[in-house]
Amino acid sequence: EVQLVESGGGLVQPGGSLRLSCAASGFTFSSYWMSWVRQAPGKGLEWVANIKQDGSEKYYVDSVKGRFTISRDNAKNSLYLQMNSLRAEDTAVYYCARFHRGMVRGPLLYWGQGTLVTVSS
Amino acid sequence: EIVMTQSPATLSVSPGERATLSCRASQSVSSNLAWYQQKPGQAPRLLIYGASTRATGIPARFSGSGSGTEFTLTISSLQSEDFAVYYCQQYNNWPPLWAFGQGTKVEIK
Repeated sequence: EVQLVESGGGLVQPGGSLRLSCAASGFTFSSYWMSWVRQAPGKGLEWVANIKQDGSEKYYVDSVKGRFTISRDNAKNSLYLQMNSLRAEDTAVYYCARFHRGMVRGPLLYWGQGTLVTVSS
Repeated sequence: EIVMTQSPATLSVSPGERATLSCRASQSVSSNLAWYQQKPGQAPRLLIYGASTRATGIPARFSGSGSGTEFTLTISSLQSEDFAVYYCQQYNNWPPLWAFGQGTKVEIK
């Protein structure tokens, strides 16, 4: 059974940093592109970042470029999102998600339960 | 940047009736379009990909159509468990900067 479990969310002050983790199990993690998607309270879904199987390609939504870094550790079956210079508008539930197949041009089939990040003073 | 626009924002439908949701892309995304369902407090669930292929375990009352810039999700006979928010998402362009529509909430009439 595929499982994605996020952790690391919490309350952080504006300008602060946070590192989210996603523990993957039930599939060959190193064979799949992975993604982070977020959802602000009461709002819609926003794609945040994609990372290739070996970490050699990373793509970001403009609003987080230069502040967030997606990474992975295939030996630990883990995906990460390092978030720096956090702003109030980054407040959201952050979901880790796996693509349907081993390519990025595809839908997101598996999702974690999400972890809440609140940026507030 | 491809912008996805969904309509209507809210759809009021009685159980057993048909619901038709629309999604428009600002430029062609071919058939690289997915639909997701999200219920309160839950993660999104993949319903449709490739514009018209149902994901595993999705009931036949859900169907998708369209290509290029205009897409439709149809729920043929709404069940109580179908009242939720639905999002479309394109995965066509390169680099892979994906985009979701703003969502359509299907509520009980």
